Amino acid sequence: EDQVTQSPEALRLQEGESSSLNCSYTVSGLRGLFWYRQDPGKGPEFLFTLYSAGEEKEKERLKATLTKKESFLHITAPKPEDSATYLCAVNENTDKLIFGTGTRLQVFP
Amino acid sequence: DAGVTQSPTHLIKTRGQQVTLRCSPISGHKSVSWYQQVLGQGPQFIFQYYEKEERGRGNFPDRFSARQFPNYSSELNVNALLLGDSALYLCASSLTLDRVARAEAFFGQGTRLTVV
Repeated sequence: EDQVTQSPEALRLQEGESSSLNCSYTVSGLRGLFWYRQDPGKGPEFLFTLYSAGEEKEKERLKATLTKKESFLHITAPKPEDSATYLCAVNENTDKLIFGTGTRLQVFP
Repeated sequence: DAGVTQSPTHLIKTRGQQVTLRCSPISGHKSVSWYQQVLGQGPQFIFQYYEKEERGRGNFPDRFSARQFPNYSSELNVNALLLGDSALYLCASSLTLDRVARAEAFFGQGTRLTVV
């Protein structure tokens, strides 16, 4: 069965302390891997799409990378406003997104 | 530009009642998908509609139904509500089907449904 696993479940960082979030997946034929940010009580906000192993994308303090079995979301010098739940999702040969349970990130000043 | 809009934002219903949730996609987007997100979990796929036809269905009971209108807006209906239906219901729109051409999905703010 297709699965998406995110780790860690929760992460507490000091402002400026860089770290990485992991998303591992098992799908028969990956078509795309998506990262979203979700604030409490809000809908997910689109961050990145990655389509092939070796691909990287950056946006401000965030950088997403993709290998054949996992993706990393690197957060460089985070700020308190980066606190949110980060969701990873994949799709194969359908348009259904399969989500992980997310990583809850808290950044303290 | 307006993003994906959903209404209502919050809703409280009693067990056994029926509910209709509404979604307007981003202008120009023809695909709408519905997801259910229970607290502490990732969103779970319910339906996808494209050009007014159902193109995908998740593992949800027949109490859940949806439709898409000629203007590409969509409604999600849930009958005979159960306490377990309490969740954040999310609508996502995309330009086309991803299987046709790469298309990111953009989500609305969701409808928080509470069943008491």
